[in-house]
Amino acid sequence: AQKVTQAQTEISVVEKEDVTLDCVYETRDTTYYLFWYKQPPSGELVFLIRRNSFDEQNEISGRYSWNFQKSTSSFNFTITASQVVDSAVYFCALSGGSNYQLIWGAGTKLIIKP
Amino acid sequence: GAGVSQSPRYKVTKRGQDVALRCDPISGHVSLYWYRQALGQGPEFLTYFNYEAQQDKSGLPNDRFSAERPEGSISTLTIQRTEQRDSAMYRCASSRIFSGANVLTFGAGSRLTVL
Repeated sequence: AQKVTQAQTEISVVEKEDVTLDCVYETRDTTYYLFWYKQPPSGELVFLIRRNSFDEQNEISGRYSWNFQKSTSSFNFTITASQVVDSAVYFCALSGGSNYQLIWGAGTKLIIKP
Repeated sequence: GAGVSQSPRYKVTKRGQDVALRCDPISGHVSLYWYRQALGQGPEFLTYFNYEAQQDKSGLPNDRFSAERPEGSISTLTIQRTEQRDSAMYRCASSRIFSGANVLTFGAGSRLTVL
């Protein structure tokens, strides 16, 4: 069975601090895809990144970076120099190579205080 | 259209009434998905279509829930004899092709409240 665990329910930091959101997944597929989506207070779901199981290169996009480690089944997300606009619920999700369904974590609510 | 459009954005209904939620996907997108999101949780898969064919409805909670996409574009999710436990945000998403690697584009959602 596939499963995504986001153990951090809520994180609160002061602006400009770095923050890491954890994501641990379980799957028996050898080919799979990992995603992060952002849900700002306005409620929409916004795609951030997709990673396939064969690409363990870390990715950096501006203040955002992602660390994919197959050895620990983790796909963590770090925001550097956080800003108030980063406040949102962040979801990690998993799909198997032959599975069209996205399996979602419960989300981590990130609060950035000014 | 430019994005995934869902209507109504908010629906309040009395227990026992039927509701229909509409989704207009991005033009040309082959796959259309319905998810349900309860407060404080991640989305939960309900069903999906490739073109007009419903490929999997295993996530529909019971037979009060049904979905259709008759012309391979707009889809309707219907809930009959609504119950309070049906209250949730119902999200539609579409993707250009069918693949586990798909990036889904979500609509703003339809928030259903059953009194």
